[in-house]
Amino acid sequence: DIQMTQSPSSLSASVGDRVAITCRASQSISNYLNWYQQKPGKAPKLLISAASNLQSGVPSSFSGSGFGTDFTLTISSLQPDDFATYYCQQSYTTSYTFGQGTKLEI
Amino acid sequence: QLQLQESGPGLVKPSETLSLTCTVSGGSISSSDYYWGWIRQPPGKGLEWIAMYFSGSTYYNVSLKSRVTISIDTSKNQFSLNLNSVTATDTAVYYCARQQYSGTYFFDYWGQGTLVTVSS
Repeated sequence: DIQMTQSPSSLSASVGDRVAITCRASQSISNYLNWYQQKPGKAPKLLISAASNLQSGVPSSFSGSGFGTDFTLTISSLQPDDFATYYCQQSYTTSYTFGQGTKLEI
Repeated sequence: QLQLQESGPGLVKPSETLSLTCTVSGGSISSSDYYWGWIRQPPGKGLEWIAMYFSGSTYYNVSLKSRVTISIDTSKNQFSLNLNSVTATDTAVYYCARQQYSGTYFFDYWGQGTLVTVSS
């Protein structure tokens, strides 16, 4: 299986801050990388597909970049609703794997 | 608007079989454009992909393959998960989800999740 490693595992930030979460794959996955946001007690929500494709309805403060093994999710200006846990996921192979998650806290 | 809803027992005894069903509304499960899958999340932990169905083919997590079966019932617009010989490590919130391809494969619609506890 392809291993996905996120960093940091947790992050403290404030409203208005710019934050970046990184995701590293154990082998090249081209751009087969998605980002999800999960809030407590809720299902994950797709934010970004194909490394940089922002989903409809997702604020433009979110952006994704990267190719191959290294990827980044950036939030340009944190809003109160953004405090959640974020997961990356590779879909390069059918044995899909997720990163361990990054908890974004105030 | 597509909706997915998991159903099944919330408590399963060790060594028994966990059986869950996902009912899809607002769209047809027969569409050849979409995949249908299961993902789980142990309490306080991360996400683990379990299985997927697409156009007559099934795909499984290698670590669970010997115990898992995914099936589809187009007449009821449902798909199901069976996981046998469960242990406490199978305790998790189980999500059903739709997957599609647009540049990459991604899960775009999810059920709300159902907690399954394995305990005697």
